[in-house]
Amino acid sequence: DAGITQSPRHKVTETGTPVTLRCHQTENHRYMYWYRQDPGHGLRLIHYSYGVKDTDKGEVSDGYSVSRSKTEDFLLTLESATSSQTSVYFCAISGRDVGLYGYTFGSGTRLTVV
Amino acid sequence: KNEVEQSPQNLTAQEGEFITINCSYSVGISALHWLQQHPGGGIVSLFMLSSGKKKHGRLIATINIQEKHSSLHITASHPRDSAVYICAVRRPDNTDKLIFGTGTRLQVFP
Repeated sequence: DAGITQSPRHKVTETGTPVTLRCHQTENHRYMYWYRQDPGHGLRLIHYSYGVKDTDKGEVSDGYSVSRSKTEDFLLTLESATSSQTSVYFCAISGRDVGLYGYTFGSGTRLTVV
Repeated sequence: KNEVEQSPQNLTAQEGEFITINCSYSVGISALHWLQQHPGGGIVSLFMLSSGKKKHGRLIATINIQEKHSSLHITASHPRDSAVYICAVRRPDNTDKLIFGTGTRLQVFP
């Protein structure tokens, strides 16, 4: 979907290094989310945002931080990557603030921590 | 126990068969979503339901709020329907967060 893009699509990084994933949307929605997807688990919420500089923790937030300085960008940072953070990361947006209750997902970022 | 349970976890079918995937949930919800994920692919929203039934092409989704249960049906299945189908529920608060099931992997053979 052209309304939301994630970068990079793939990344391999070493244990202990910081990593930043970017989610960019062109829909001007306030609600943005970062999820991770692992085998045997449903998608799990890492952090979410209701607007610029308004973020909150999800169920698996340890080791992650986020920033939202502009409506269109939601950044996820792994402060010091660990092998347990090897996963596929999805960003999503919700149009709840404009009465649209559907979700749109990015294409995902496959992160491997070695 | 997961708050959202899907069954079966894996499903194989021959082309043309009628497919049913089930989702049960144990929490209050404001809506239920059915999502599709192709191998190595992104996640696409198929349906959002708060009551009754919706149809789109060969896909039909139903929900029974009293029984906390939803089903996704695929009529005249085709190999291109092979994907993981994910059920997710939205809590009745102002967070718009979703709780996901672990998905049903469907393979349709010609």
